[in-house]
Amino acid sequence: DTGVSQDPRHKITKRGQNVTFRCDPISEHNRLYWYRQTLGQGPEFLTYFQNEAQLEKSRLLSDRFSAERPKGSFSTLEIQRTEQGDSAMYLCASRLPWGEKLFFGSGTQLSVL
Amino acid sequence: AQTVTQSQPEMSVQEAETVTLSCTYDTSESDYYLFWYKQPPSRQMILVIRQEAYKQQNATENRFSVNFQKAAKSFSLKISDSQLGDAAMYFCAYSTGANSKLTFGKGITLSVRP
Repeated sequence: DTGVSQDPRHKITKRGQNVTFRCDPISEHNRLYWYRQTLGQGPEFLTYFQNEAQLEKSRLLSDRFSAERPKGSFSTLEIQRTEQGDSAMYLCASRLPWGEKLFFGSGTQLSVL
Repeated sequence: AQTVTQSQPEMSVQEAETVTLSCTYDTSESDYYLFWYKQPPSRQMILVIRQEAYKQQNATENRFSVNFQKAAKSFSLKISDSQLGDAAMYFCAYSTGANSKLTFGKGITLSVRP
C-alpha cells in the first residue's frame, strides 16, 4: 500500500499560465476527491469521481478548472489562466466503495506569482 | 447547507496532560458521520477518530475519545496523555455518508509543551 500519491509537491507559476496536477489513488479505490485548502482554512470540496465518472462539482470549480479521471485510475486537475487567488494547496483523497474512511495525499502546493 | 464551526484557533497543552478541542456543526440530516482529522507539518490529513450519528456510544481510539452530543450538535475531541507528536492542526469534519464528501471546520492549531 503506497498511499495516495500527488505530483508535484510544489508548483510555482506566473499568473496566466496553465498548470496540471496529478493524483494516483490507492489501487481498488473507486472514489477520488479533490479538495482545495487555503492558509488558515480547512479543505474545501472541489469535485469527486466514481471510477471515471465525475459525479459532483462544487461551485468553487470555475470554468478555468477541469478535472479528469480517464480510465478510473489516476486523476488530473488542470487550472487554466491561473490567478493569484488560485494559490492554495490542492489535496486528493480516495476511498473504497464500501468504506467511509478517506485516505489523503500530501497535496500539491500551488503558488501563483 | 451543512456547516462545521471550530471557534478556537489555537490551544496549548502540557505534555502528559489532557486537552479538549471543541467543534459544533449544523445539519438537518438525521444520519451522518463526524470526524476528527490531524494535519501535521507534512500536510497529510490523517483520520484520528470518527463517529456515526446513529450510535449513542462515544467513539474512542486509544488516547483519543469524543464527546458527541447530538441534540446540541456538539462533537469535541479529548486527547489524553498528550505527546509531543500530537502537535498539529486538527480539523473537525462532517459527511452525510452517501458520497463521503467532507465539510471541514477551519481547524485548530494544537501545541504541546514539553
